[in-house]
Amino acid sequence: SQQGEEDPQALSIQEGENATMNCSYKTSINNLQWYRQNSGRGLVHLILIRSNEREKHSGRLRVTLDTSKKSSSLLITASRAADTASYFCATWNSGGYQKVTFGIGTKLQVIP
Amino acid sequence: GAGVSQSPRYKVAKRGQDVALRCDPISGHVSLFWYQQALGQGPEFLTYFQNEAQLDKSGLPSDRFFAERPEGSVSTLKIQRTQQEDSAVYLCASSLSAIITVRGGSYNEQFFGPGTRLTVL
Repeated sequence: SQQGEEDPQALSIQEGENATMNCSYKTSINNLQWYRQNSGRGLVHLILIRSNEREKHSGRLRVTLDTSKKSSSLLITASRAADTASYFCATWNSGGYQKVTFGIGTKLQVIP
Repeated sequence: GAGVSQSPRYKVAKRGQDVALRCDPISGHVSLFWYQQALGQGPEFLTYFQNEAQLDKSGLPSDRFFAERPEGSVSTLKIQRTQQEDSAVYLCASSLSAIITVRGGSYNEQFFGPGTRLTVL
C-alpha cells in the first residue's frame, strides 16, 4: 500500500514559474525523500530530509518537512521544460531496514 | 556497468505464460529491491535481498511471484501463470546496504534501473 499522498496529482505551469507539490504520510518516519521519474532517466533520487530537519535546499529545489502534520512540500523554483516529470515523495519507516514506501505522485508539466 | 540494468525492457506475454525478469545491480551493492509500478501509481515494494538472502517478501502479491538472487548479485523476478493484473512496470533498485546499523543512521541511496514494462494480454 502507498504510504504517502501527493497533492496535486497533476500540475501544469509555464516555464519560469514555481511549482509546489505537497505530500502527506501516515506513520512515523526516519526521513522523507523526493524522487523524479521521467521516461528518459527513470526514477531518480532528488533530495532527502531527515525527521529532525525542517527545511532543506538543493539547487532550485526546496523541501520542507512538518512531522507534527506528517506533511512535506517540494518547491521547484524557476521551472524549466526539462522539469516535466512525475514527482514522488517516499518515506523510510523507523525500524528494521531501509524500506522505502512511495506516494502516488504528482505529474508536473512545464510548458515552454 | 555504471548503473542498474534490467532486461528485457519490454515484455508482452499471453495470459497464463511464465515470465522471468532480470536485474543487474551496481557492482558491490549488497541490497537489492524489486518494486511493481502500475500505471499512474507510485512504485510498490515487492521484495528485498541482502546479499543472497531474501529478508522481506511481504510485498509479493501472490505465490505466483518468486524472486531469487542465488549469488548475491544478479536477481531474477519470476511470475508464473501471468494474469492481466500483473501488467505493470517492474523496477529493480540496489544500494550499498539497507541495514540500519544505528537508529537514524546514514541512508544509503537506492539506485533504480530503467524497469521492465510487462504487458499481459
